[in-house]
Amino acid sequence: AQTVTQSQPEMSVQEAETVTLSCTYDTSESDYYLFWYKQPPSRQMILVIRQEAYKQQNATENRFSVNFQKAAKSFSLKISDSQLGDAAMYFCAYRRTAYSGGGADGLTFGKGTHLIIQP
Amino acid sequence: EAQVTQNPRYLITVTGKKLTVTCSQNMNHEYMSWYRQDPGLGLRQIYYSMNVEVTDKGDVPEGYKVSRKEKRNFPLILESPSPNQTSLYFCASSPRGRQNQETQYFGPGTRLLVL
Repeated sequence: AQTVTQSQPEMSVQEAETVTLSCTYDTSESDYYLFWYKQPPSRQMILVIRQEAYKQQNATENRFSVNFQKAAKSFSLKISDSQLGDAAMYFCAYRRTAYSGGGADGLTFGKGTHLIIQP
Repeated sequence: EAQVTQNPRYLITVTGKKLTVTCSQNMNHEYMSWYRQDPGLGLRQIYYSMNVEVTDKGDVPEGYKVSRKEKRNFPLILESPSPNQTSLYFCASSPRGRQNQETQYFGPGTRLLVL
């Protein structure tokens, strides 16, 4: 079974600074998808960024980028120019492809990192 | 607007009183799923459905039932709720099976308290 580990329960960063959230995962698959979701106090789950494992290029979305290290099974999220609105829980998640065999079909989540933005 | 809706958003009930949480999506997605979120545990999958009349267990299915009679709806049923089912529940959907369509879109969540 796949597992996702977020080793930082809480992180704090000054507004306008850069912060990196860590995520590692364990899988025997070669093709899969990785995601970062943001959960603000409203509790809504908001997709931040996604990465296909077959793509070597790291995904970017405006101020958000990832460092995907497939061999190391690492998938960190970098937030540049942090803003007060970035304060939230961040969850790393894994999903196997539709064509992988066996096991439940869904997202496997880490336990989350609580990001605090200091003004 | 493309969205996943859940009802009710908040529910307080008593042990043993059957309840249903509804989930509906207007994106014509084949795949739908239920998760529960508990402090310190992240989100865990309860049940999922690959298409109409096709459902399967996730990681924590005990105490729950689901059905998928229509593509857009995927209700979660608690036949005899217990206090350990107090949680925040999320429904999600995705157009599973097509390349680059693996992203799941989440509903707003349903907060359930079982006394």
